[in-house]
Amino acid sequence: QVQLQESGPRLVKPSETLSLTCTVSGGSISDYYWTWIRQPPGKGLEWIGYIYDSGNNNYNPSLKSRVTMSVDTSKNQFSLKVSSVTAADTAVYYCARQYSSGWYHFDFWGQGTQVTVSS
Amino acid sequence: DIQMTQSPSSLSTSVGDRVTITCRATQRISGYLNWYQQKSGTAPKLLIYAASILQSGVPSRFSGSGSGTDFTLTITSLQPEDFATYYCQQSYSSPYTFGQGTKLEIK
Repeated sequence: QVQLQESGPRLVKPSETLSLTCTVSGGSISDYYWTWIRQPPGKGLEWIGYIYDSGNNNYNPSLKSRVTMSVDTSKNQFSLKVSSVTAADTAVYYCARQYSSGWYHFDFWGQGTQVTVSS
Repeated sequence: DIQMTQSPSSLSTSVGDRVTITCRATQRISGYLNWYQQKSGTAPKLLIYAASILQSGVPSRFSGSGSGTDFTLTITSLQPEDFATYYCQQSYSSPYTFGQGTKLEIK
């Protein structure tokens, strides 16, 4: 059974960079898209983007200028950085596995990590 | 971006009821429609993908249908553990977008 676990600072100051890592266990990081999704308090879900094991990526245009994703296949980890954060970036951040062919659905999710942007 | 609109936004229902949630896309997405269930404080869980394929381990009281722009999620005989928020999501093109959610509440 594939498991994903987010880790990283829970509190980030405005204008600084949010950094999160997702560790994948129980399966290979190859052959799937590895995705970040966030959910502001009391709101719906927003797809941030994905990275493939080759390093190819696809970001949501609404965040593209501030988002960087990377992957470390040797550690079965992938990471998210969001720069110049504001209070609007406060959310629960989820990492998830996305099929890279077929129907492109998200089948496994991490438990999520709450990130608060505040001074 | 493709916008996804769910209706209703909330629904008061009872155990044993049959529930239908609809999801509409602003453009045709073929069958690239997925449904997720989210319980309070937990991550979303995949229920149905490709509009009608039940994810492994999901009870058969859940079903999905539709194609093009209009889709439905049906839950027959609601169980206590089904009270949650349900999201549709299109995977036809990026940015992949979600509906605003439908919250099932106990009547």
